Amino acid sequence: NAGVTQTPKFRVLKTGQSMTLLCAQDMNHEYMYWYRQDPGMGLRLIHYSVGEGTTAKGEVPDGYNVSRLKKQNFLLGLESAAPSQTSVYFCASSAGPGGNQPQHFGDGTRLSIL
Amino acid sequence: RKEVEQDPGPFNVPEGATVAFNCTYSNSASQSFFWYRQDCRKEPKLLMSVYSSGNEDGRFTAQLNRASQYISLLIRDSKLSDSATYLCVVKGGYNNNDMRFGAGTRLTVKP
Repeated sequence: NAGVTQTPKFRVLKTGQSMTLLCAQDMNHEYMYWYRQDPGMGLRLIHYSVGEGTTAKGEVPDGYNVSRLKKQNFLLGLESAAPSQTSVYFCASSAGPGGNQPQHFGDGTRLSIL
Repeated sequence: RKEVEQDPGPFNVPEGATVAFNCTYSNSASQSFFWYRQDCRKEPKLLMSVYSSGNEDGRFTAQLNRASQYISLLIRDSKLSDSATYLCVVKGGYNNNDMRFGAGTRLTVKP
């Protein structure tokens, strides 16, 4: 029972490089989210998706793009990485937006931008 | 001002102690409230939802005061396994998908 799987788990990039983080869920959830977690800041929502083919901006979307071509996958892209994007990135999914629908998180991707 | 504020701690308590965490939120339109638990270098996991009337789940009790925009979590009879960071989460202030996380309160339970 995989739940939410993120790849890669660790990555080091140079400033200006691009990369894509992959999130896959096997729970048939409609909603998927990308967060970043920085010390003292709590998790902040980057982008989210309410279904296949849809995406929306969250609290801190600048510098990131996302795509949801398949229901089970949610990709987060960094076109030109900056040191300020050094963070731990978490993907999450939920069955719906309802008040008590819990979000299930992947185990995170640690990204360092040099 | 952060939208969700928590005392970062750390709280260091002996086994068996009762410990309480507080959280305040700034957006009065917020609709749903949760406590998540995050172990070191792990992902957050839902601990419990917080209902207006207050709710209990074993040793854990959560309370909500909408008038004061305040949420609390009480842990009774602390166990070593309760050591973690506890995240206060507030949802629905801007739209139905908006979740705002506090930075967390770190708890260490010692033998």
